[in-house]
Amino acid sequence: SAVISQKPSRDICQRGTSLTIQCQVDSQVTMMFWYRQQPGQSLTLIATANQGSEATYESGFVIDKFPISRPNLTFSTLTVSNMSPEDSSIYLCSVAEGQLGSNTIYFGEGSWLTVV
Amino acid sequence: KQEVTQIPAALSVPEGENLVLNCSFTDSAIYNLQWFRQDPGKGLTSLLLIQSSQREQTSGRLNASLDKSSGRSTLYIAASQPGDSATYLCAVGGSYIPTFGRGTSLIVHP
Repeated sequence: SAVISQKPSRDICQRGTSLTIQCQVDSQVTMMFWYRQQPGQSLTLIATANQGSEATYESGFVIDKFPISRPNLTFSTLTVSNMSPEDSSIYLCSVAEGQLGSNTIYFGEGSWLTVV
Repeated sequence: KQEVTQIPAALSVPEGENLVLNCSFTDSAIYNLQWFRQDPGKGLTSLLLIQSSQREQTSGRLNASLDKSSGRSTLYIAASQPGDSATYLCAVGGSYIPTFGRGTSLIVHP
């Protein structure tokens, strides 16, 4: 099973600043994703991080606000730009391992951001 | 569009009880269903994965069943312990990107 390391695990950020979250996987994976989980809510997919090309964003999320890098098959970053209190959430990196139909989803430990 | 509902939203039980958590989904054309555990402020830990061709999976005190025709899955926790306290989420896979329920928040008190 894939082991995913995320950092920072927790941070308190000032309004208007930006923060970059790193996600490192212990094996090469094709499918890597970024989720947001707002307080008391379920997970919302932000984007699929594509290796060597621009990320694929879900409705309601844009590259200027959430730029994503995926330089190789084991690493990705998510930046939360120009933060406001509404961005206070847990941000989760996820990978899919295996063939479609028999794939397992794994998550990192999450990055808990509080914007003040 | 797939919709996933988890009932109950919250559950508080004394230690030792056997529990059933429910997950229902609207589109039965799924590849798999996965149950996760989430501790407060943390990421998700995979508990069980059921392929669409399977009826159930077991791991220790956990047993998950899948009934595609009725759009339901249950997670059975035997002999619950305080360490089982967490939020349990089900994720229904129609592709590599699953649809998540909102979770069942479980508290097991001594």
